[in-house]
Amino acid sequence: DQQVKQNSPSLSVQEGRISILNCDYTNSMFDYFLWYKKYPAEGPTFLISISSIKDKNEDGRFTVFLNKSAKHLSLHIVPSQPGDSAVYFCAASDPWSGGGADGLTFGKGTHLIIQP
Amino acid sequence: NAGVTQTPKFQVLKTGQSMTLQCAQDMNHNSMYWYRQDPGMGLRLIYYSASEGTTDKGEVPNGYNVSRLNKREFSLRLESAAPSQTSVYFCASSATFSNQPQHFGDGTRLSIL
Repeated sequence: DQQVKQNSPSLSVQEGRISILNCDYTNSMFDYFLWYKKYPAEGPTFLISISSIKDKNEDGRFTVFLNKSAKHLSLHIVPSQPGDSAVYFCAASDPWSGGGADGLTFGKGTHLIIQP
Repeated sequence: NAGVTQTPKFQVLKTGQSMTLQCAQDMNHNSMYWYRQDPGMGLRLIYYSASEGTTDKGEVPNGYNVSRLNKREFSLRLESAAPSQTSVYFCASSATFSNQPQHFGDGTRLSIL
């Protein structure tokens, strides 16, 4: 049972436009959410995070939005650049789960392709 | 700025062989983690160490053991490798256990024949 879902395996966006990556979750105990970017043959690189007490967090070209009632978060990249082409993972944390299975729960990723 | 260093980067084993994957971080982080990533999947937590001297099972611990050797190092051991353990293994660390981003190494690509 997937607790973090990224329903779009891939997304193609023109350079300079906005990229919007979506993520849904089912566990209402998740209270910390992150986005990671991954290039082939490298480890995931942390991009941006948001705590459940906020609904928006910005860092340069990257903005994460959290809608707790819908259990949905999204990552906006504006403007999109060729170097943004990568796989993006949404991840969530439930620090109170106890009994093991702590750490981050990841979605399966969305492959973002920025077209020139 | 090394961050999280994993060794080896690649390894091929035969079924039944044992192996230890090494991980070290130089960020003075308290918490460390081991994940595996299979094709088309997200990362899944194998084991974690919230602080030096403690280790706990994650989502997929069967067939693995870990050792938190000191604050810097966290190793993952396969006692008797199986083809189902063919995967890419990532080590990560974070300053504290909760509500802090984890920083990842570049992974160990392990094939078991």
